[in-house]
Amino acid sequence: DQQVKQNSPSLSVQEGRISILNCDYTNSMFDYFLWYKKYPAEGPTFLISISSIKDKNEDGRFTVFLNKSAKHLSLHIVPSQPGDSAVYFCAASAVRKTSYDKVIFGPGTSLSVIP
Amino acid sequence: SAVISQKPSRDICQRGTSLTIQCQVDSQVTMMFWYRQQPGQSLTLIATANQGSEATYESGFVIDKFPISRPNLTFSTLTVSNMSPEDSSIYLCSVHRRGREGTEAFFGQGTRLTVV
Repeated sequence: DQQVKQNSPSLSVQEGRISILNCDYTNSMFDYFLWYKKYPAEGPTFLISISSIKDKNEDGRFTVFLNKSAKHLSLHIVPSQPGDSAVYFCAASAVRKTSYDKVIFGPGTSLSVIP
Repeated sequence: SAVISQKPSRDICQRGTSLTIQCQVDSQVTMMFWYRQQPGQSLTLIATANQGSEATYESGFVIDKFPISRPNLTFSTLTVSNMSPEDSSIYLCSVHRRGREGTEAFFGQGTRLTVV
């Protein structure tokens, strides 16, 4: 049972346009959401995050929107650049009383930005 | 963030053999995490490695298949034992850091394993 879903395995966007990557989650205990970017032959790198107390977080060209009632978040990249071509993973965690938090990952969306 | 070094970066192994993957972190951490990414799939947590105690394995993963060592606060190894082609995956070492708002995971570059 996938707790974090990314229903689009791939996405192609023209350079300069907006890329929108979507993510849905099922566990209402999640309260912190992250996006990771992964190039081939490299480990995932942290991109941007959002706490459940917010509905938007922006960092340069990257904005993450959170809709808690719909259990949905999205990553917007604008303008898209060819260097943004990578696999993007949505992830979620829940603050718990144990000494660490698990981070649950979605299956990823492969973004191709066409020059 | 943390600097995490993994080796080997890739390997091709014969079925029935074992491979040990090493992970070095540039700072002391209580817990280190091992993930697997099978082709076209998500990152799945294999186990959590605590220094000085046995690793905690997630459902579907067992110590006999994936023995883990954690001799100190900056180093861990994961062994993939008695390999079969189904073990072909990217294996990733990770540390988690709890920030003010939540927990973030930081990864090594991964080990791409192909079993033939």
